[in-house]
Amino acid sequence: EPEVTQTPSHQVTQMGQEVILRCVPISNHLYFYWYRQILGQKVEFLVSFYNNEISEKSEIFDDQFSVERPDGSNFTLKIRSTKLEDSAMYFCASIGGGAGAFFGQGTRLTVV
Amino acid sequence: AQSVTQLGSHVSVSEGALVLLRCNYSSSVPPYLFWYVQYPNQGLQLLLKYTSAATLVKGINDFEAEFKKSETSFHLTKPSAHMSDAAEYFCACGSGNTGKLIFGQGTTLQVKP
Repeated sequence: EPEVTQTPSHQVTQMGQEVILRCVPISNHLYFYWYRQILGQKVEFLVSFYNNEISEKSEIFDDQFSVERPDGSNFTLKIRSTKLEDSAMYFCASIGGGAGAFFGQGTRLTVV
Repeated sequence: AQSVTQLGSHVSVSEGALVLLRCNYSSSVPPYLFWYVQYPNQGLQLLLKYTSAATLVKGINDFEAEFKKSETSFHLTKPSAHMSDAAEYFCACGSGNTGKLIFGQGTTLQVKP
């Protein structure tokens, strides 16, 4: 069964450092998303991406965040200068074919 | 705007008992509704979805959910709980099949032997 893959599974970074979270969506999907889940809280929408541009973003997705699809397969989330409150599980998702969103296993980001 | 409320952050049932996880939504447009399950240290797996076809939706692992517009509900049920059903369950609402999802707070299901 096709799946969304995310790397790394766990990343520890120092406050103020840049991090890039990577995702490989399902190959024939066209809609891509990043969500985050702070420990013990609900899953929150960050950004959606379609046709090589951001289609929607939440208020969480400020200037510190950016997304890119650099090579037609990878879909990345960059946090320019991490803060302690960015510590969370980050999920990538993709949609195609009417089956609903497929989520990756997540990257646990710990900012120290 | 859309919102999702899951009643009960923790539900505990005995193995073999009925599982009922409650979800209510608010949406200004016809909603697409989803249930996802999250096992420990894993991602979100789609259990089932409602997209304006049949109001009773069957999913994987014998789960099903019924869309009730009059009650703005989409409760998840399973006739007989298994130990392996212990996980976090999330109800989510979208405005279409490709739109963003708004998640509820999640319900932790505990299954006792």
